[in-house]
Amino acid sequence: AQSVAQPEDQVNVAEGNPLTVKCTYSVSGNPYLFWYVQYPNRGLQFLLKYITGDNLVKGSYGFEAEFNKSQTSFHLKKPSALVSDSALYFCAVKGSSNTGKLIFGQGTTLQVKP
Amino acid sequence: DAGVIQSPRHEVTEMGQEVTLRCKPISGHNSLFWYRQTMMRGLELLIYFNNNVPIDDSGMPEDRFSAKMPNASFSTLKIQPSEPRDSAVYFCASSSAGASYGYTFGSGTRLTVV
Repeated sequence: AQSVAQPEDQVNVAEGNPLTVKCTYSVSGNPYLFWYVQYPNRGLQFLLKYITGDNLVKGSYGFEAEFNKSQTSFHLKKPSALVSDSALYFCAVKGSSNTGKLIFGQGTTLQVKP
Repeated sequence: DAGVIQSPRHEVTEMGQEVTLRCKPISGHNSLFWYRQTMMRGLELLIYFNNNVPIDDSGMPEDRFSAKMPNASFSTLKIQPSEPRDSAVYFCASSSAGASYGYTFGSGTRLTVV
């Protein structure tokens, strides 16, 4: 069965510091991995995805994520956090054999303090 | 493209009343998903359609909930009768077929049942 785990309910970082939001997955076949961000009172917005190729994927707003097959992880990173990055972040996965639903993690709240 | 359009944005209704939420997916997308988001349970997939056909409704909480997709450009989620525990934000998302595509989410409908 497919699953996604985001082990941290909340991540706190100071503005200007690097941030990491963790995600691990379990899926049959090659994974298709996604990160979404949700700002207050808004829908989820696509940040980036990994399908194939380079393990380091760059996305919107300066975010990037590193696919690690051996550790089955897809952590979200940013070199220098902004207060405006504070939001709820979701990791999601699909199996390559599955053209249907994305499986979402439970979400991690990122709090960036000035 | 205007994105995924949901209406209404906010709905306040009395317990026992019927509630209908509406969604217009992105033109050309052939998969549509209804999610519910609450603080307690996070993001839950209620049902999804592929080419207007319901594929998986295992997330629909009970018979009070029903969803339809009469054509490729419109879907409804109905709750009858509504209960206070149905209070949540309901999101619609659409996607193109194929495992490499993520979802585009609407802005959601915030439902309050009093």
